[in-house]
Amino acid sequence: SQTIHQWPATLVQPVGSPLSLECTVEGTSNPNLYWYRQAAGRGLQLLFYSVGIGQISSEVPQNLSASRPQDRQFILSSKKLLLSDSGFYLCAWQAGGSYNNEQFFGPGTRLTVL
Amino acid sequence: QKEVEQNSGPLSVPEGAIASLNCTYSDRVSQSFFWYRQYSGKSPELIMSIYSNGDKEDGRFTAQLNKASQYVSLLIRDSQPSDSATYLCAVNNNNDMRFGAGTRLTVKP
Repeated sequence: SQTIHQWPATLVQPVGSPLSLECTVEGTSNPNLYWYRQAAGRGLQLLFYSVGIGQISSEVPQNLSASRPQDRQFILSSKKLLLSDSGFYLCAWQAGGSYNNEQFFGPGTRLTVL
Repeated sequence: QKEVEQNSGPLSVPEGAIASLNCTYSDRVSQSFFWYRQYSGKSPELIMSIYSNGDKEDGRFTAQLNKASQYVSLLIRDSQPSDSATYLCAVNNNNDMRFGAGTRLTVKP
């Protein structure tokens, strides 16, 4: 069966500090991978998605970036965090080869920028 | 106009009743539709997916899709206190997945 991991689970960072969130998937090959952000009381906002190693599509212009160095690893980064970057960051995977299949979420990382 | 709209609630139902959650979407060519359950502080969990018009039943859950009306719903029969959560509607069209803000459901014992 497939599992998806994210770490860290929680993070408190000062404004202007760097960020690195990691997501890994087990039990599947060549998945589509996604980064979402959920602000308090709001819906999910798609940040980035990837259909393969080194292939990143950005949905929202911002100070965040994403990378996919390995098939089942997806990393979200920032060089300098803003207060507005606070939120619940969710990684999701979807079976590769189809854009209409279900997406499954990891446990998430709750980021607070002070 | 929001792309996926849900009543934010809270929707409160007594234990054992039917909870009805509704969702409308604006993209007429959307192809797949999902319901996620999200407990407070946790990540969304997929509970139902539906791809064609009509009803789809899975245990106590029934998803209903009407593409002509751009409407998808979720019925929860015999509601339990453990069903208390926020339910997110999601609509997908070729890798463009859009989520509603969610409906908060409270099931009272």
